[in-house]
Amino acid sequence: AQSVTQLDSHVSVSEGTPVLLRCNYSSSYSPSLFWYVQHPNKGLQLLLKYTSAATLVKGINGFEAEFKKSETSFHLTKPSAHMSDAAEYFCVVSGRNNDMRFGAGTRLTVKP
Amino acid sequence: SQTIHQWPATLVQPVGSPLSLECTVEGTSNPNLYWYRQAAGRGLQLLFYSVGIGQISSEVPQNLSASRPQDRQFILSSKKLLLSDSGFYLCAWGLTDTQYFGPGTRLTVL
Repeated sequence: AQSVTQLDSHVSVSEGTPVLLRCNYSSSYSPSLFWYVQHPNKGLQLLLKYTSAATLVKGINGFEAEFKKSETSFHLTKPSAHMSDAAEYFCVVSGRNNDMRFGAGTRLTVKP
Repeated sequence: SQTIHQWPATLVQPVGSPLSLECTVEGTSNPNLYWYRQAAGRGLQLLFYSVGIGQISSEVPQNLSASRPQDRQFILSSKKLLLSDSGFYLCAWGLTDTQYFGPGTRLTVL
């Protein structure tokens, strides 16, 4: 079985500073890993996806994530936060049968 | 390109009333379809998924049901709503290991 743990329920950064949202995963297989973003009262938007190709994955809106098998981590980063990045972020692992397991989410607050 | 629609966007219903939420997908054929619920302050809970017309798998036993009468239509229903059914309902579609989400329906049961 697979699972993800998002290590921070809430992260607060100042505009223009780096963003780090942490995710650890557990999987019996070679996993597919995803990051989704959800703005208030909106659906989830796919930010990026890892599927055993390059370990550094670039996504939309300047986000990227690095797959580290030795650390079972898939942390999401962005060099410079923008006010529009304030949202809920979900780390997700997909297993052999394409069933997705969602993390509990990390709320990102961006201060002016 | 593919598009997923959900309606209504918001719904306020009394306890004990019926429910019907609809989801449709455009631009793809024979997608896997999913219903999720997101309760306040909690993560996403998979409710149902479907790999084809008339094929529904339930993840959580409850007073909700799902149907897939057409290839790209997925309906979530209830005969009698409970207070605990309040939440944000999300429909998603996928062909491989990636899912794409609709805009969601905010359901409040009073």
